Amino acid sequence: ETGVTQSPTHLIKTRGQQVTLRCSSQSGHNTVSWYQQALGQGPQFIFQYYREEENGRGNFPPRFSGLQFPNYSSELNVNALELDDSALYLCASTTGTGELFFGEGSRLTVL
Amino acid sequence: GEDVEQSLFLSVREGDSSVINCTYTDSSSTYLYWYKQEPGAGLQLLTYIFSNMDMKQDQRLTVLLNKKDKHLSLRIADTQTGDSAIYFCAESKDQTGANNLFFGTGTRLTVIP
Repeated sequence: ETGVTQSPTHLIKTRGQQVTLRCSSQSGHNTVSWYQQALGQGPQFIFQYYREEENGRGNFPPRFSGLQFPNYSSELNVNALELDDSALYLCASTTGTGELFFGEGSRLTVL
Repeated sequence: GEDVEQSLFLSVREGDSSVINCTYTDSSSTYLYWYKQEPGAGLQLLTYIFSNMDMKQDQRLTVLLNKKDKHLSLRIADTQTGDSAIYFCAESKDQTGANNLFFGTGTRLTVIP
């Protein structure tokens, strides 16, 4: 039990649509990051938020955006969905001690 | 750039030791991690090691780090069927270890009863 919960667990969208994925972290975990895990691959870093500001970004286009809220929840938004966006999206949080805790993920299928 | 490599598959018999290997290219890595992922699930943090350490032991798990060769290994003693999963090695350059982890493609461990 990592204390990181994500919703929804599964969803299906069509190309061109927009999606919002949600994450709730443990109290005190002021850093949250999002990862994309394509089938058969390791997770890839999308971006990180610290105290509601983006402070690190991987090689993902601007149509991937996020928000972090004061109540330790966060969102990942993806606009103009493409087929290749089909993946497991993982949220992770930390207090900054070196331990990064992941949620169970949201599996997105784009048709 | 960062590159983390792992062999794709490993099979062991129940009760034997498993050794999962990982190589990385970025010598400025600060933290190195091992995560476990069971089918349909998220990532479970098993253990991590700071780059100034050579070894870390935690119950059945032993992590060895050879910083000169940029080689990390995870040894699981007395492997059980419940250890069957995909194991990911990951590195971070961030001083807190929390930012921008680079993951390998994972090693699928199969434990044969």
